[in-house]
Amino acid sequence: GAGVSQSPSNKVTEKGKDVELRCDPISGHTALYWYRQSLGQGLEFLIYFQGNSAPDKSGLPSDRFSAERTGGSVSTLTIQRTQQEDSAVYLCASSLAMGLDEKLFFGSGTQLSVL
Amino acid sequence: AQSVTQPDIHITVSEGASLELRCNYSYGATPYLFWYVQSPGQGLQLLLKYFSGDTLVQGIKGFEAEFKRSQSSFNLRKPSVHWSDAAEYFCAVGLFGAAGNKLTFGGGTRVLVKP
Repeated sequence: GAGVSQSPSNKVTEKGKDVELRCDPISGHTALYWYRQSLGQGLEFLIYFQGNSAPDKSGLPSDRFSAERTGGSVSTLTIQRTQQEDSAVYLCASSLAMGLDEKLFFGSGTQLSVL
Repeated sequence: AQSVTQPDIHITVSEGASLELRCNYSYGATPYLFWYVQSPGQGLQLLLKYFSGDTLVQGIKGFEAEFKRSQSSFNLRKPSVHWSDAAEYFCAVGLFGAAGNKLTFGGGTRVLVKP
């Protein structure tokens, strides 16, 4: 596609349920990032994938959070046993290569609401 | 650890007036610096970036930013604001190296434009 695509755009779930958020990066982009934007706060780094290298998971807030990237393309962020504090906009971004001089392209995000 | 501070949560400016958004960072080396804009209903878009060289960088939409090492600042400016500039603006510091690739974002500054 023309840009980074995220689905769903909105997700409402009950506390304790598991959710999966999907990110389709721009075709050919080897680097993929997940960020979280909570109400009134900045963007929080979650996880970073680069090609076939082991992902940088240093930003994941707890072991309820996990992410995978299949075939070096689509990525899924999974939140298990959701809590109300998980409510946020989850943003995915991709770039052509590894360096920070490569422009990041962001998706429009998934608004997650945990009731 | 690197950090980014945007001291102003909200700024209101009249259309046609000048705009300056402040950004201060904490980082042990010469950082990669970025400004992103998030317009309502849209994803994040890169406005400009600084890696090295001329400390005054030009970006899209008439924005510019100046890197001042002595002040650890990277303030964003626009001489004459348009109503379409109403958005949230994020400053970010990039870390690239053995520790991985990640952008650390500031808390954002929301810009309101008065007619």
